[in-house]
Parts: sequence; structure tokens; C-alpha cells
Amino acid sequence: SAVISQKPSRDICQRGTSLTIQCQVDSQVTMMFWYRQQPGQSLTLIATANQGSEATYESGFVIDKFPISRPNLTFSTLTVSNMSPEDSSIYLCSVVLSGSKKETQYFGPGTRLLVL
Amino acid sequence: GQSLEQPSEVTAVEGAIVQINCTYQTSGFYGLSWYQQHDGGAPTFLSYNALDGLEETGRFSSFLSRSDSYGYLLLQELQMKDSASYFCAGDTGRRALTFGSGTRLQVQP
Repeated sequence: SAVISQKPSRDICQRGTSLTIQCQVDSQVTMMFWYRQQPGQSLTLIATANQGSEATYESGFVIDKFPISRPNLTFSTLTVSNMSPEDSSIYLCSVVLSGSKKETQYFGPGTRLLVL
Repeated sequence: GQSLEQPSEVTAVEGAIVQINCTYQTSGFYGLSWYQQHDGGAPTFLSYNALDGLEETGRFSSFLSRSDSYGYLLLQELQMKDSASYFCAGDTGRRALTFGSGTRLQVQP
């Protein structure tokens, strides 16, 4: 298993501002992902965070809006830029541990974002 | 593309058995995973079916039939703590999983 922490756990932000969410893992991982989840809804993949290179974004998500960094194997950040109320959601990072199958993902506790 | 459909809500009583279905449409498919998420919590991995058939892990079992594009999660001897949302997730060989619409399970005394 792995211990995954996210900061901040929650935040209330004004529209037009940006928020950077951090994800830290205590184990070596092969893959890191960022998801978004509206309350009561399913998880939507935003992007795959690639170490040392640009993230791979899913349809509907762009780097200018959701820049992602992954400077090493155990740390990644997601920035929600120029926020609007529609960005209010729970943002989750997830990882696949080294030696584990991709199907076994571990999720961080999430960051609850409210944009006013 | 890929979509995984689940019933939105299922209700059952303590001690009973409940089955949560997942049907999918995808252009390519490698296997089916199941995750549990309690309110306010993070999703946690339950099981994975790479091959057709039944996989059993304690009170939970998962089944996959790729010819029918169908799978299910079976929960036995239901307990109140099993009240949660359950997501199937499909593996199409891309680096990430695609999650189903989710089923909210309510266990009643």
C-alpha cells in the first residue's frame, strides 16, 4: 500500500484566481494521475502526470487551464488556473505503485475546491 | 471510446446478498476493476478481473464476461459499513482507467 497526501485538503477561492494542489506519495510509483469528481458523480480523468515531461491530457482538458508538474517519482502538482464556479469540485491524485498492476490505483484523500 | 454503465442506486438489508452490475461499450478491453468509495473518502481498490469468470476476495466477488460486455460485483453478508458508492473501471490498455457512472449502495438494518 501507499500513503498519499494532498494539500490543501479544501479551499474556497475567488473566481479568476489560481490554486495549486500538491500530491505526495511515500513510495516509488510508476504512474500518477489527476482526477476530478463532482459530489455524487463519477471520476473524470484530467491527465496523466509524466515525470520530467509534459502531462498527457484527456479530451476537454488543456494545459493552460490545468498545468501539471511532476519533478520526481513521488510528487506532482495540479494547478487550476483562472478559476470559475464551474471548477468547484473534488480533485484527486492517484498512483500506481512500482511493481503493481495498473488496475490497482491508490487515491489521495482529495482536495475540495469551492470557487465563488 | 469507452463508457461503463451502472445502476445509480441499490438498496439491501443487513446480512443479504447484493449484485451491482456494470455494462460497458468499448473499442478494446483488457479487464474490469471495482472500487469502493465512502462519503467524503477516497476510492479504494476492491478487485480486478483480467479474465472471464469469478474472482473471490472474502465477502466480495467480482465477475466478468467479455463476450457479453458485462461484469458485476457481488457483496455477501452485507454490513452497514458496506454502504458506499461502488465504481467499476475499465482498462482499455491506455495508461489510466475509465470509471463507470457509479452505484450508491444503501444497507438498511
